Amino acid sequence: AQSVTQLDSQVPVFEEAPVELRCNYSSSVSVYLFWYVQYPNQGLQLLLKYLSGSTLVKGINGFEAEFNKSQTSFHLRKPSVHISDTAEYFCAVIYNQGGKLIFGQGTELSVKP
Amino acid sequence: EAGVAQSPRYKIIEKRQSVAFWCNPISGHATLYWYQQILGQGPKLLIQFQNNGVVDDSQLPKDRFSAERLKGVDSTLKIQPAKLEDSAVYLCASSSQGYEQFFGPGTRLTVL
Repeated sequence: AQSVTQLDSQVPVFEEAPVELRCNYSSSVSVYLFWYVQYPNQGLQLLLKYLSGSTLVKGINGFEAEFNKSQTSFHLRKPSVHISDTAEYFCAVIYNQGGKLIFGQGTELSVKP
Repeated sequence: EAGVAQSPRYKIIEKRQSVAFWCNPISGHATLYWYQQILGQGPKLLIQFQNNGVVDDSQLPKDRFSAERLKGVDSTLKIQPAKLEDSAVYLCASSSQGYEQFFGPGTRLTVL
């Protein structure tokens, strides 16, 4: 079955520390990969996306992610987090062109001073 | 550019009552989506419209949920009658070409 797994439900981290949020997806011939952020009481905002080309994708707010086809992963990273990065982060995948967006369970990033 | 608008932002109802949510997508976006986000989970697609036609409603509980897209622009999602398990945030999103979806702020429904 097509699925998305976010391995950590909560990630606490201190301000200015690096962070990695993990995402794995079911193996498929072609996938389109996304990371969204959701601040409290707000809708989802696109951080970055991988459609094709370079496997290292840079997004907004200093985030980046790397598409690893052999490990079916699309982990999100930031070298130095800020208090304002505290939010829920969702990995999402479209399996095959024209397919629907399937979300992971979400990872709650909590940045502490 | 104005974003996706949704109303109301919050709604509290008793079980077995009916409720409706409204969504106005970004101008010019042909595709409109309704998602259900239960607390602690990722959003789940309920229905997708392309203009005013339904593309995918495979996960819409059709015995109680209905949705329409008026003239290919605004959309309403209705639940009748509501159950306790319908408590969730209902997100509307729209897209034009490509794969990026733009989300509204959501409607938080509480069923008592």
